[in-house]
Amino acid sequence: QQPVQSPQAVILREGEDAVINCSSSKALYSVHWYRQKHGEAPVFLMILLKGGEQKGHEKISASFNEKKQQSSLYLTASQLSYSGTYFCGTFDNQGGKLIFGQGTELSVKP
Amino acid sequence: EAQVTQNPRYLITVTGKKLTVTCSQNMNHEYMSWYRQDPGLGLRQIYYSMNVEVTDKGDVPEGYKVSRKEKRNFPLILESPSPNQTSLYFCASSDRGTWGETQYFGPGTRLLVL
Repeated sequence: QQPVQSPQAVILREGEDAVINCSSSKALYSVHWYRQKHGEAPVFLMILLKGGEQKGHEKISASFNEKKQQSSLYLTASQLSYSGTYFCGTFDNQGGKLIFGQGTELSVKP
Repeated sequence: EAQVTQNPRYLITVTGKKLTVTCSQNMNHEYMSWYRQDPGLGLRQIYYSMNVEVTDKGDVPEGYKVSRKEKRNFPLILESPSPNQTSLYFCASSDRGTWGETQYFGPGTRLLVL
């Protein structure tokens, strides 16, 4: 089942903060975050693993609550370049089948 | 340069005319997969492959076929395309397809079925 992201869309001014949430009805082994600019391929941001390990972006942080099966992506002091659609993704069980949420569209205005 | 390539990038076809979208990666990755992207639905996985000759269904496999005869290539085949397969398609690869690996996406193929 597809993870659920919230909000579906958010508009920010440059310098403002945003939080994007991702929740799953299934147990999570890891959570992946990707950003997609309009008309382009998704680009890797971050992976959070069970047990607390994180890999990814310097300026974007995220949390992973395994018990609640939730992850949140924190965008602080947003820049114009942060605009795009953000996707969270989770692997089914041991790996292989990767399921993405429906996306959160973020617009950063000057 | 490490990359995933897809061809063609744009394709207009008619209902029922078989087509193949190619995907190739030069990173020696074992894992490859195909996604379709439709407005409001996000990225949905069509098929994935954990290695040569090993393929499995994703969430939306109906109407699609794949094959993995070589490690670097993973073509997507639409034997009888229909208008509901009009979409943006992405191929992706990663080292072994396990939880903690980055997915590298190709540039996408925009398909219109008339």
